[in-house]
Amino acid sequence: AQSVTQLGSHVSVSEGALVLLRCNYSSSVPPYLFWYVQYPNQGLQLLLKYTTGATLVKGINGFEAEFKKSETSFHLTKPSAHMSDAAEYFCAVSSTGNTPLVFGKGTRLSVIA
Amino acid sequence: DAMVIQNPRYQVTQFGKPVTLSCSQTLNHNVMYWYQQKSSQAPKLLFHYYDKDFNNEADTPDNFQSRRPNTSFCFLDIRSPGLGDAAMYLCATRSEGGGAETQYFGPGTRLLVL
Repeated sequence: AQSVTQLGSHVSVSEGALVLLRCNYSSSVPPYLFWYVQYPNQGLQLLLKYTTGATLVKGINGFEAEFKKSETSFHLTKPSAHMSDAAEYFCAVSSTGNTPLVFGKGTRLSVIA
Repeated sequence: DAMVIQNPRYQVTQFGKPVTLSCSQTLNHNVMYWYQQKSSQAPKLLFHYYDKDFNNEADTPDNFQSRRPNTSFCFLDIRSPGLGDAAMYLCATRSEGGGAETQYFGPGTRLLVL
């Protein structure tokens, strides 16, 4: 069975500061990994994904994440936070493209002016 | 623009009164999902379709049913909504072609049960 753990249900950063949202996964097979963002009363929007190949993946809005197999991690980073980054972020895993996603519990990011 | 559309965005129903939520897609994706998301929680998969093949999650209550009359449309029926069914309901689609691993989500329908 697969699972996702997101450390920190709420992260608060100052505008312009580094954003780091942590995600660890458990999977018995090579995983497909995703980060989604959800703004209030909206659906989920894909930020970035890792399937195969380069372990550092770049996504939209300046976010990137690095797949580290040895650490079973897929942490999300952004060098400089913007007020518009305030949202809920979900990490998710699937074992293949055909299996349903397993989501973490989410991390709420607040950005302080 | 190709997209996933959910109507209505907000739905109010009474305790025990059947309600139907709808989802449509212009992406021509063959896989469609329904998720329930309660406040401050992760989305929880209720069921999904591969084409017309229906897949129910083991812990989805019998109170929840779904219909997919064609590729573009999918409905979620809640036969007798309880207060605990108040949540955001998210529809998502996926293709089995290139980039098949990516799900595309609609904006959701927020259900309130009075």
